[in-house]
Amino acid sequence: QKEVEQNSGPLSVPEGAIASLNCTYSDRGSQSFFWYRQYSGKSPELIMSIYSNGDKEDGRFTAQLNKASQYVSLLIRDSQPSDSATYLCAVISGAGSYQLTFGKGTKLSVIP
Amino acid sequence: DAGVIQSPRHEVTEMGQEVTLRCKPISGHDYLFWYRQTMMRGLELLIYFNNNVPIDDSGMPEDRFSAKMPNASFSTLKIQPSEPRDSAVYFCASSLTGLAWETQYFGPGTRLLVL
Repeated sequence: QKEVEQNSGPLSVPEGAIASLNCTYSDRGSQSFFWYRQYSGKSPELIMSIYSNGDKEDGRFTAQLNKASQYVSLLIRDSQPSDSATYLCAVISGAGSYQLTFGKGTKLSVIP
Repeated sequence: DAGVIQSPRHEVTEMGQEVTLRCKPISGHDYLFWYRQTMMRGLELLIYFNNNVPIDDSGMPEDRFSAKMPNASFSTLKIQPSEPRDSAVYFCASSLTGLAWETQYFGPGTRLLVL
């Protein structure tokens, strides 16, 4: 059973701070890693993807991957109240697979 | 483009009834995915199609669930008979070959409540 684990939160951070969201996965063969943002009552939207070890930055977002530790994280710099949402970690196992396994998400609350 | 379109947006039905959820993918997208989201289990992939052909249905919970894609612009997910534990939000998503995950877009979802 392939598992993706996230702390459910809620994670509360003050406006302007760095929010750090973490995710671990069980399948060592996992190849591709994604972060989705889901506002309450809305559908998920892809915000970051990462495929190799290290950091990937996109604006205020940085995804970090450590395959040896089976760990992926998302950092949000200069957090804004509009970042308040649930963040879903998703993993694809194996090349050529389209089977996405999602974590249950971490609810982030940015306090003005 | 209007994005992925799902109907109905809300459905309330009684146990034992047949439920049909509908999805129109983004024009030109050749992958279509059906997901289910609950508080207990999170977001789960049920089935996906490529060029209207079902590729992987290993996430379909049981025989009560069936999905079809008769053409490139329409897909259905049917539950017959429905049970209270089927209550969830059902999302349809579509994407393009080669950049499947980078271009995956979700529809607004159908909120299903089975009484």
